[in-house]
Amino acid sequence: DTGVSQDPRHKITKRGQNVTFRCDPISEHNRLYWYRQTLGQGPEFLTYFQNEAQLEKSRLLSDRFSAERPKGSFSTLEIQRTEQGDSAMYLCASTGTDSYEQYFGPGTRLTVT
Amino acid sequence: AQKVTQAQTEISVVEKEDVTLDCVYETRDTTYYLFWYKQPPSGELVFLIRRNSFDEQNEISGRYSWNFQKSTSSFNFTITASQVVDSAVYFCALSEAEYTNAGKSTFGDGTTLTVKP
Repeated sequence: DTGVSQDPRHKITKRGQNVTFRCDPISEHNRLYWYRQTLGQGPEFLTYFQNEAQLEKSRLLSDRFSAERPKGSFSTLEIQRTEQGDSAMYLCASTGTDSYEQYFGPGTRLTVT
Repeated sequence: AQKVTQAQTEISVVEKEDVTLDCVYETRDTTYYLFWYKQPPSGELVFLIRRNSFDEQNEISGRYSWNFQKSTSSFNFTITASQVVDSAVYFCALSEAEYTNAGKSTFGDGTTLTVKP
């Protein structure tokens, strides 16, 4: 059973560019979450999918952020017009229908220069 | 709004010492879940334990034990006879149980545990 995978693991981009990250959850998990983590902080919730439906998006998330999960399997997180403040680790997690513990991927570290 | 507080930012112990990591939470929900996760230097968060709000039984698993006290809104984690491999950042987290928010977790800022040989 493979775990949650994320691609790429590292991304360096210039301010103003768009970036897209991918998350592949554990295959039988129907719920998928995106979090952002900065140094010295715990993961901060960004958005959440149940199958292909995006059920919640953090109020802290600006309109530059968008996420999709078109077929209820993998998910993408896009950041448009990146800013230096977007530099962080972006974590994806998944969980099954009747459980609440989340299984995290290795994360994508974004550096905006 | 939910909140998780881990007052201890960093803890340093010598191998074989016992160590307790504190977690205090706030929620208006009557049904919720509490978790501990471990984030080793490699970076990937690893689930350790889940506790339901209606189950206040404490649990022991090997060298790990958890003390959940609803009266004080605390969910503390103890490592007995610590080992160098226990060195990591430990996060306490809280999840609502309502359907639409099922599983969305609020994390504390973590406690960095260093176990010295």
